[in-house]
Amino acid sequence: EVQLLESGGGLVQPGGSLRLSCAASGFTFNNYAMTWVRQAPGKGLEWVSHTIGSGGSTFYADSVKGRFTISRDNSRNTLYLQMNSLRAEDTAVYYCAKVNGYSGYVADHWGQGTLVTVSS
Amino acid sequence: NFMLTQPHSVSESPGKTVTVSCTGSGGSIASNYVQWYQQRPGRAPTTVIYEDKQRPSGVPDRFSGSIDSSSNSASLTISGLKTEDEADYYCQSYHSSNWVFGGGTKLTVL
Repeated sequence: EVQLLESGGGLVQPGGSLRLSCAASGFTFNNYAMTWVRQAPGKGLEWVSHTIGSGGSTFYADSVKGRFTISRDNSRNTLYLQMNSLRAEDTAVYYCAKVNGYSGYVADHWGQGTLVTVSS
Repeated sequence: NFMLTQPHSVSESPGKTVTVSCTGSGGSIASNYVQWYQQRPGRAPTTVIYEDKQRPSGVPDRFSGSIDSSSNSASLTISGLKTEDEADYYCQSYHSSNWVFGGGTKLTVL
């Protein structure tokens, strides 16, 4: 059974940093791309970042480019999102999701999410 | 920029059929696959349709997806509506290596 467990969310001041983790199990992690999607309170889904199975290619939404970094440790079956220079508009539940291939754009399993609150 | 536009809300009665639309702009919706995600209140999203019309295992055949190139839109159709289908539905595709989500449609089954 595929399981994705996010952690690392919390309250952070504007301008601060946070690193999210997503521990994966139930599948061969390095064979699949992974993505981060966020949802601000009461709002819709917004794609944040994406990396292919090897981690060798990464992609970012314009809203986070230059501030967020996606990475993965395939030996630990873990996906990360380093978030720097956080802003109030980054407040959201952050979901990690498994993609249905080495690269691709179909999220076939989702974690339960971790809440990030950016506020002074 | 490629965008996907959905109606804010739709409603229908149990047992009926409802269709949720997803209209593309800034590019052809038929150029890349469209997925549909269901999100019940307080829950994480789940996939109900992928690659335009494919159903993941466990998703009932009451759910179907289609593409209409003439209107540059995708559609999610749910037949035999059940109260458990009440949720937010999001379409999603991609363009220039970026994922694109529609704004979401709240389905009320009443």
